[in-house]
Parts: sequence; C-alpha cells; structure tokens
Amino acid sequence: DTAVSQTPKYLVTQMGNDKSIKCEQNLGHDTMYWYKQDSKKFLKIMFSYNNKELIINETVPNRFSPKSPDKAHLNLHINSLELGDSAVYFCASSRGSGYTFGSGTRLTVV
Amino acid sequence: QQQVKQSPQSLIVQKGGISIINCAYENTAFDYFPWYQQFPGKGPALLIAIRPDVSEKKEGRFTISFNKSAKQFSLHIMDSQPGDSATYFCAASVMRSNFGNEKLTFGTGTRLTIIP
Repeated sequence: DTAVSQTPKYLVTQMGNDKSIKCEQNLGHDTMYWYKQDSKKFLKIMFSYNNKELIINETVPNRFSPKSPDKAHLNLHINSLELGDSAVYFCASSRGSGYTFGSGTRLTVV
Repeated sequence: QQQVKQSPQSLIVQKGGISIINCAYENTAFDYFPWYQQFPGKGPALLIAIRPDVSEKKEGRFTISFNKSAKQFSLHIMDSQPGDSATYFCAASVMRSNFGNEKLTFGTGTRLTIIP
C-alpha cells in the first residue's frame, strides 16, 4: 500500500533512446509533481499537475513531456535521451501543505 | 539563482549531541518552510514544517527556529542518534489557496553523520 509509487526504480539506457517513468499515488491528493535530483543531490522541480491540468512547467527541455491521465497518475516521457539527463527523478503528490515523495527512479544514460 | 541557501554542506555530530542546520531565504513571499529527511535510495520525507506566524515549532527531538526579520530558519536535532544520519533539506514555498503548495524550492542539502 505504497502511497506514491514509481516504476521503474532503475533505468539504464543508451543515448538517443526514448523512455517513460510512471507514477501513481493512492493518497487522494490533487497535485502531483516531478522533481529531478542531480548528482550533487540538488532537488529541482520540473512539472506540477493539479487535477490533470499542467500548473508548473519549469525551464525543462521539450524532450521531457509529462502526462496525467487522471489525478492519481503522472507519467514522464523523455525523448532523445542525453548523458546530462542522468539523475534521480522523484514523483511527489500533495494536498495543502506537505509533499509525499516516491522512492525515485535512477536514470542512467550511457 | 539560489533562493534558499543551506549550511553546512556536511556535519558530523557525536551521539547525544545537538545537530544544527541553517537556511536563509530571499523571497519574502515564502510562507511555508518544511524540512525533509532523505535516506540513501529513498525519497525525501517530511520531517517538520513551520509557518512564519510562529518563531519556533517542536516535534519530539526536532525543533525549527524561525527568524522572519532575518529571513532565516534552522533545524535543531536534540540528543542526536546514529539513526538520524541522513541528508537533510530545508525548503520554502508559497501556499496557494486553490492548489495548496506551490513548488518547493529546496536548499542544497546537509549530509548529517552521527558518530557513536
């Protein structure tokens, strides 16, 4: 009964490939997010959705495309992967104050 | 532009001691200041949070001190234990009435090690 679950946990892929990360939350939260944590552990928001509507779109290359089929799911599709995309990607959800984060997807581009 | 500055980058404290991590922010619109704890291989987990209408909040061994005029806040961990060894992040955001939290702006993290 994981609150925010992400799949896969690890993803190793070659440059130029397209990959997707899936996220699901069972907390009934209205808002979902994607955050990127780089090798220095710095956490930065990429996108947020509220009830399937895109609310925040930070300065992210348009190779990254989020999609929210319903308010419990937020997926992230990445086209033409680059070495610099290697990071840990965290999904999170919130209602009011306080985020709940998933356990992350470690993406390695080789 | 780093809107939330966190220090120190790493901290070693003896078991039973007090761990103190400091953060400073620039955006006066921020009105929600949480601290997150992250263990290796896990996502950040909310530890404690404060709103700017109070100067201190305590939950068990964890205390946030908040200084609105100085735009600073800090986390104090009393009686630090080896199980507290983790990376700690301060963060700040603006609470929006329609959508709850706006984006969290994180500090750069502090790697805390508690030695026996």
